[in-house]
Amino acid sequence: GAVVSQHPSRVICKSGTSVKIECRSLDFQATTMFWYRQFPKQSLMLMATSNEGSKATYEQGVEKDKFLINHASLTLSTLTVTSAHPEDSSFYICSARSTDGYTFGSGTRLTVV
Amino acid sequence: QQQVKQSPQSLIVQKGGISIINCAYENTAFDYFPWYQQFPGKGPALLIAIRPDVSEKKEGRFTISFNKSAKQFSLHIMDSQPGDSATYFCAASIRTSYDKVIFGPGTSLSVIP
Repeated sequence: GAVVSQHPSRVICKSGTSVKIECRSLDFQATTMFWYRQFPKQSLMLMATSNEGSKATYEQGVEKDKFLINHASLTLSTLTVTSAHPEDSSFYICSARSTDGYTFGSGTRLTVV
Repeated sequence: QQQVKQSPQSLIVQKGGISIINCAYENTAFDYFPWYQQFPGKGPALLIAIRPDVSEKKEGRFTISFNKSAKQFSLHIMDSQPGDSATYFCAASIRTSYDKVIFGPGTSLSVIP
């Protein structure tokens, strides 16, 4: 089946620094990818829809200048958390749609100290 | 309109028993209803999915029942096993338009020996 690879799986960064998370579709092309955020014991909340070759579409309340999304190719989307603060600590998950349906990455645990 | 409701929030089932999770939606444009299983620290994995033109779909021990008129669908896990202990999310999307997946709040299932 379709595989979405997400890296890193865990990252710890200092407050004020930026962190980049990569999401790759390994065996299929994805013109659209999705970025979710999940707090402990809560559901996945969609942050933005990433479109290859164009600007991402952000959900209401998500700061586009803080969460930069780049979808430069049909197999790669990146999420950069800029000037990270402790409240940005969360589990970030990407997803891409394939013929198998929506496939999710394994997630990135971001801890900002 | 975009919300997907899910109950119960948590569920404890004896090994060998039947686990039942219920979901409801409002948006009649939804045409794809997947169920995801998520283990701690991992991304969600597709368990089973159904289209609204089918009333029931079974894959192994997992069955989705779909009631289009009531806008409700449910997941039944037969012969529940301790390895099924995880968080389950129902979801909905408009697959034909590559629309985002909207997740229910989740159900934490514990299967006890």
